[in-house]
Amino acid sequence: AQSVTQLDSHVSVSEGTPVLLRCNYSSSYSPSLFWYVQHPNKGLQLLLKYTSAATLVKGINGFEAEFKKSETSFHLTKPSAHMSDAAEYFCVVSLANAGGTSYGKLTFGQGTILTVHP
Amino acid sequence: DVKVTQSSRYLVKRTGEKVFLECVQDMDHENMFWYRQDPGLGLRLIYFSYDVKMKEKGDIPEGYSVSREKKERFSLILESASTNQTSMYLCAAEGLRKTQYFGPGTRLLVL
Repeated sequence: AQSVTQLDSHVSVSEGTPVLLRCNYSSSYSPSLFWYVQHPNKGLQLLLKYTSAATLVKGINGFEAEFKKSETSFHLTKPSAHMSDAAEYFCVVSLANAGGTSYGKLTFGQGTILTVHP
Repeated sequence: DVKVTQSSRYLVKRTGEKVFLECVQDMDHENMFWYRQDPGLGLRLIYFSYDVKMKEKGDIPEGYSVSREKKERFSLILESASTNQTSMYLCAAEGLRKTQYFGPGTRLLVL
């Protein structure tokens, strides 16, 4: 079984300050992990993905995430928040590497709403 | 990256109507998915398809069916729309390394 826990349902930061969105996962197999972003009334956009290569993953728009197996975490960070970063962020784990699956069954976290103040 | 488009951004239908939601992907990928997204419930998988005319039920298939006549197109069908099917519907296609790419979503309101 696999699960994802996003530790904060809401995060509020000031423009120009660092962003930290926390995610813990559990998986019986070596997971693939993703962060997606969703702006209001839009679809999900892939920010970055970890698929067992480098543990520090760089994504679009200055975001990055570090896979820490010992802590079962995959936190999303950005050094300096921009107003356009305000959105909902989803941490997602995939059973893609497990034997017997023909596709990557995704398990979504509940989402973290990021608010950026001027 | 895979580009996924959905036929409508917003749709309003009446109870009992038959509703078609269309999804098209541009990269010849086998696996395509339909999800619905509801506040407090997150994203839930309705159906997925692993090839033309091939499909499997997801977690919440009741009240829905799907059609995949061509590889690039995956349709979600509500045979008789009900108010509890008011939701945001998201289509996805699976690219390299099992990465799913999502369309812009269709917000459906059933009156």
